[in-house]
Amino acid sequence: GNSVTQMEGPVTLSEEAFLTINCTYTATGYPSLFWYVQYPGEGLQLLLKATKADDKGSNKGFEATYRKETTSFHLEKGSVQVSDSAVYFCALSDNNDMRFGAGTRLTVKP
Amino acid sequence: SAVISQKPSRDICQRGTSLTIQCQVDSQVTMMFWYRQQPGQSLTLIATANQGSEATYESGFVIDKFPISRPNLTFSTLTVSNLSPEDSSIYLCSVERVAGGHEQYFGPGTRLTVT
Repeated sequence: GNSVTQMEGPVTLSEEAFLTINCTYTATGYPSLFWYVQYPGEGLQLLLKATKADDKGSNKGFEATYRKETTSFHLEKGSVQVSDSAVYFCALSDNNDMRFGAGTRLTVKP
Repeated sequence: SAVISQKPSRDICQRGTSLTIQCQVDSQVTMMFWYRQQPGQSLTLIATANQGSEATYESGFVIDKFPISRPNLTFSTLTVSNLSPEDSSIYLCSVERVAGGHEQYFGPGTRLTVT
């Protein structure tokens, strides 16, 4: 079946550090891939997406590239800010079946 | 995208009672989803609610405990019945946008505490 595995947290970084959160997936078909962000006390917001192999999703300085050969969709940001502190969820959608990773809590310290 | 609101945003309920959560969308959508997010955990799909048909429940969730209504294309309710402390969670509704990859858009969630 379909599943998503993402890097366990928590992750703590200093402001302006480089961020990578790893995500790998297993799917029977050709899924779309997503990163969602959940700020404290809020619901999930779609951060970025990629719908086919080699697509790069980007938003707010975050990027992730759909790598079919390694079944990965790692989230990166070159310089994090305190305001990026949140929980990040990797997800896939395949034939109306949506799966979420366990979530990675990021804390950015000034 | 879609704008989704949920009511209530939070509630504290006593054991044995029920809570009904409302989800309102600003546009007509075919598929609406209800998730549970237990403290510090990921999302677990409870059921899919399509207008005009009965909700489809995931393994481990039953209609008697989580009855769902979907009276029209912009509204749904989830009731959590016979509450126990184990039901303390955040409950989220979402809608799917088919064009562009089947992404889902989420409401702000309802934080339920059962005492």
